[in-house]
Amino acid sequence: ITLKESGPALVKPTETLTLTCSFSGFSLKTDSVGVGWLRQPPGKAPECLGIIYWNDNKRYSPSLENRLTITMDTSKDQVVLTMTNVDPVDTATYYCAHTGTPFGGAISRSFDRWGQGTLVTVSS
Amino acid sequence: ETVLTQSPLFLAVTPGEPASISCGSRQSLLHSNGYTYLDWYLQKPGQSPQPLIFMGSHRASGVPDRFSGSGSGTDFTLKISRVEAEDVGVYYCMQALQIPPTFGQGTRLEIK
Repeated sequence: ITLKESGPALVKPTETLTLTCSFSGFSLKTDSVGVGWLRQPPGKAPECLGIIYWNDNKRYSPSLENRLTITMDTSKDQVVLTMTNVDPVDTATYYCAHTGTPFGGAISRSFDRWGQGTLVTVSS
Repeated sequence: ETVLTQSPLFLAVTPGEPASISCGSRQSLLHSNGYTYLDWYLQKPGQSPQPLIFMGSHRASGVPDRFSGSGSGTDFTLKISRVEAEDVGVYYCMQALQIPPTFGQGTRLEIK
């Protein structure tokens, strides 16, 4: 399983940020599988922005829900994150990660594979 | 939002010595399926976080057996039986009972 994030390195305040996660080694059509978007400001802990699941169910961070949209394109094995009205506080390394591996009759919610991350700076 | 509190925030350990990191939650992380949704990750310098322990006590693929996770309900511990130089980095706990998951603030481990 591999994942790789792509998108702009620099975005202006109030603009919309669009990031793409291209993955291989798994299918988002498989039961229980999900792809999460996370970000990590410099020197801080990671924060999960949201997760999209194989059945197109989506769960977003309550504090960012009104600014986020996560979509998937199973034909291209891609997941797209859109964040509107960005601000300098959104400056961070953005990661996508795989989740939903079956374990012992349950489903692990661990992020067991991460992309390399892409640094996004919000500045005018 | 489920808040996780880690301690200590900084750890300096001599190679070969053990290390222990605690993670506390205000709410129980026990799911009705009997599993506890608490994971541990290590972020080595310049790298993405990598999974160490999932569902409280299960080592992720390829993780050395010197790493172990324990605990239940609201209090959890990551133990390294004998620290090696390659273990430096920041350790995070993450709860996944409530979606989306949330992380602790991190514990930085350095080698003496």
